[in-house]
Amino acid sequence: GAVVSQHPSWVICKSGTSVKIECRSLDFQATTMFWYRQFPKQSLMLMATSNEGSKATYEQGVEKDKFLINHASLTLSTLTVTSAHPEDSSFYICSARDRGGSSQETQYFGPGTRLLVL
Amino acid sequence: KNQVEQSPQSLIILEGKNCTLQCNYTVSPFSNLRWYKQDTGRGPVSLTIMTFSENTKSNGRYTATLDADTKQSSLHITASQLSDSASYICVVSAPDSWGKLQFGAGTQVVVTP
Repeated sequence: GAVVSQHPSWVICKSGTSVKIECRSLDFQATTMFWYRQFPKQSLMLMATSNEGSKATYEQGVEKDKFLINHASLTLSTLTVTSAHPEDSSFYICSARDRGGSSQETQYFGPGTRLLVL
Repeated sequence: KNQVEQSPQSLIILEGKNCTLQCNYTVSPFSNLRWYKQDTGRGPVSLTIMTFSENTKSNGRYTATLDADTKQSSLHITASQLSDSASYICVVSAPDSWGKLQFGAGTQVVVTP
C-alpha cells in the first residue's frame, strides 16, 4: 500500500523556538495533504488542508501565522510551528490524498510526530 | 455535535475473545466509511473501507458491517490478540468534501492475557 512518512518522529524543543515537520508521500503523488493534531485520549483534529502550489486552508481556531504550511511539491508538505510554547505540545499527524487512486477519497496517514515543548 | 459517534468509549477483553465496536453517523450523504486502528504513538492504519452500497468488508480477523439505512456500522474483532490493543476509529467522508474526514472519538480496546 501507499506509504506516507513524517520526519522527525519526535522532537523536544525549548519554548520560543520554531519546529518544522515534514510529510512525504513516498510512492504516490498527493495533490492534497492534511495536517492533524491529536491530544492524549482524543481523536484527530484537522488543523489545515494543504494543496500543492497554493495556500493552505485552515480550520476555524487554528492560527495560520502560528502553524505555517508549505506544500511545495506533490510529495512534500511541511508544517512549521513558530515560536512554540508548551501548549503546542501534541502529536501531529499528516495524511496524503492519492491523486491517482481509484477513489477520490483515498487517504493515507503518516506515523505522526510527537512534539514536546519545554 | 459530532457527526460520528462511537461506543463504547473503552473496552477490556480477554485474549481469544470476540468483541464488537459500534459507530453511528449522521453524515449525509456520505461517500464511504472507514475503520482505522491506531496504536499508541502511531498514525492511524486503515482496516476497512466501505461505500454506501457495501454491507460488509473483512480484513483478516476484522469484519466491518454497514447499514446505510440506519447509518450504523460495526467492527467485529474475532479471536482477539494482545496486539489488537489499540484505539479503533470510525471515519466517514462525504462526497465533494475535498477529502475532509469526519472522525469518531474512537474506542480504546485493551486485550488482556
